[in-house]
Amino acid sequence: DTEVTQTPKHLVMGMTNKKSLKCEQHMGHRAMYWYKQKAKKPPELMFVYSYEKLSINESVPSRFSPECPNSSLLNLHLHALQPEDSALYLCASSQGGRGPSFYGYTFGSGTRLTVV
Amino acid sequence: QQPVQSPQAVILREGEDAVINCSSSKALYSVHWYRQKHGEAPVFLMILLKGGEQKGHEKISASFNEKKQQSSLYLTASQLSYSGTYFCGTAKGYGGSQGNLIFGKGTKLSVKP
Repeated sequence: DTEVTQTPKHLVMGMTNKKSLKCEQHMGHRAMYWYKQKAKKPPELMFVYSYEKLSINESVPSRFSPECPNSSLLNLHLHALQPEDSALYLCASSQGGRGPSFYGYTFGSGTRLTVV
Repeated sequence: QQPVQSPQAVILREGEDAVINCSSSKALYSVHWYRQKHGEAPVFLMILLKGGEQKGHEKISASFNEKKQQSSLYLTASQLSYSGTYFCGTAKGYGGSQGNLIFGKGTKLSVKP
């Protein structure tokens, strides 16, 4: 299995809703990432989990809350989002050790989020 | 710091060649290339490491000039399937924040029949 699976593929939510994005990989990768990508822009790093521990939070607002229950699963909990949070949310994974700088990322297909 | 890509966009006819460039003002450990089609996830193409090691697809070629901190992606005999936005990602080191990739703004490649 060489895939990163993200669900749901599309999500529309109101500003008062609570929802979660899910990401799963079974490649034995020990680093997992959330990226946010706005239209016609590059992916921007949000969170990094290394060996199930949060190692990097790129000053992301608290309305985004990541969780890594185990080495295969990564969640992103969403609460009280704003319309400007609408974007493609990408999950990625990489082998541990030297990480993405040496091994690169495997990206999931993303969740296209619309906040209304 | 975000790497700079050029050109921003290029239009080709099938069979033509193209070069996409990526440069950084900081010393780099590795340069990565990804292609993203509209509405899809980025797909890994190649990694170029400091010291000369390369990993990637056989049909893709690229170079990494460590002295200039520049990389170029060479697309030869382009096919319609090459269309998409190409991102370079750079890392200053490995481990911790140094190992995470920062992506350039992308180069949109359109291949016409």
